[in-house]
Amino acid sequence: DSGVTQTPKHLITATGQRVTLRCSPRSGDLSVYWYQQSLDQGLQFLIQYYNGEERAKGNILERFSAQQFPDLHSELNLSSLELGDSALYFCASSVGLAGAEQYFGPGTRLTVT
Amino acid sequence: QQQVKQSPQSLIVQKGGISIINCAYENTAFDYFPWYQQFPGKGPALLIAIRPDVSEKKEGRFTISFNKSAKQFSLHIMDSQPGDSATYFCAAGASGARQLTFGSGTQLTVLP
Repeated sequence: DSGVTQTPKHLITATGQRVTLRCSPRSGDLSVYWYQQSLDQGLQFLIQYYNGEERAKGNILERFSAQQFPDLHSELNLSSLELGDSALYFCASSVGLAGAEQYFGPGTRLTVT
Repeated sequence: QQQVKQSPQSLIVQKGGISIINCAYENTAFDYFPWYQQFPGKGPALLIAIRPDVSEKKEGRFTISFNKSAKQFSLHIMDSQPGDSATYFCAAGASGARQLTFGSGTQLTVLP
């Protein structure tokens, strides 16, 4: 158990809908990262927050957004969902800003029908 | 230049054998190289990591070998066990950068 929690574990929704994925980092970790894992793209970095502020962006679509709250939990919002958004979404956390030693949560499996 | 190339895609090893997974990178700014282990339905778990100031790091049955001049690193699993059957990902990160760049993964099967 990494100490990173994610909810929900599974999510099934229809195209065009909006969903919110939630992540709580390990105790003491200030950085939260979001990754998407799909069969054809592997693990792709989406976005990082550090102590409430966005610090890095990767291959994140404009339809996706995230935020980190004062209690350091983070939410990833996915809107106007398409079939291709079906994937596993992981969050990871680390102590510092630099990204070393990232610890992953169990993931949220999103299925868009 | 941001890619990390991982091979093989899949690997079958007999119990007690040595599993070897290789990764190569191009970006010389990378200075942190972790390996992650992922079981079905679980998140990737940090297994072992190395920085380029050493050529080898060993933790139990797991060893990372690092060749800075060739820009390659590999994971060796000694005395492989059926419980090691999982997908292994190499990754690379750079100081000052935030994200890890992952390889495509190797599905390891250890036969009993």
